[in-house]
Amino acid sequence: QVQLVESGGGVVQPGRSLRLSCAASGFTFSNYGMHWVRQAPGKGLEWVALISYDGSNKYYADSVKGRVTISRDNSKNTLYLQMNSLRAEDTAVYYCAKDQRVFGTGVTYCDYWGQGTLVTVSS
Amino acid sequence: DIQMTQSPSSLSASVGDRVTITCRASQSISTYLNWYQQKPGKAPKLLIYAASSLQSGVPSTFSGSGSGTDFTLTISSLQPEDFATYYCQQTYSTPRTFGQGTKLEIK
Repeated sequence: QVQLVESGGGVVQPGRSLRLSCAASGFTFSNYGMHWVRQAPGKGLEWVALISYDGSNKYYADSVKGRVTISRDNSKNTLYLQMNSLRAEDTAVYYCAKDQRVFGTGVTYCDYWGQGTLVTVSS
Repeated sequence: DIQMTQSPSSLSASVGDRVTITCRASQSISTYLNWYQQKPGKAPKLLIYAASSLQSGVPSTFSGSGSGTDFTLTISSLQPEDFATYYCQQTYSTPRTFGQGTKLEIK
């Protein structure tokens, strides 16, 4: 069965960096785009970034553009989120999610999600 | 960026009630609209994709409709396990914005 397991969260000081990982199993990782979505404590969902199946295309939310890099290692079935210059407003649970597309239609959705990893930015 | 606005932000209802949640996009997104359910401390779960297609395994009490800028999620008969927060998300363009959520509570 599909499993997505995030790791790498923790407490970090403002201005520092952190790298999140998402280990995927149960599907052919190299065939699917992947997302990061975050949720600040008590708040709604915020889409963060998307990477194409082969890593050639990357898209970011304006709130993280220039500070965050999404990447993947298809040989390791792992998705990453490198976060630099962290701010208090980056405090959130970070979820990775698998991107499913309906061939030939442009329809896309997140059909599997990890359990999330908490990032707390605080001095 | 496309803004997604849900209404209401919160809703109280009883088991057995029919409930409708609305999502409005700031510009036309055709039917590139998904609905997710989230329970406290859990990851979101896909309910509806492409505005009206029911995800496998989701009860038929859930349905979605709409196109262009206006969309609805309807639960035809609320069950105890349906009390949760619901989010719409557009996939017409990046950034793939979510609505602010609708919290469905027990009356």
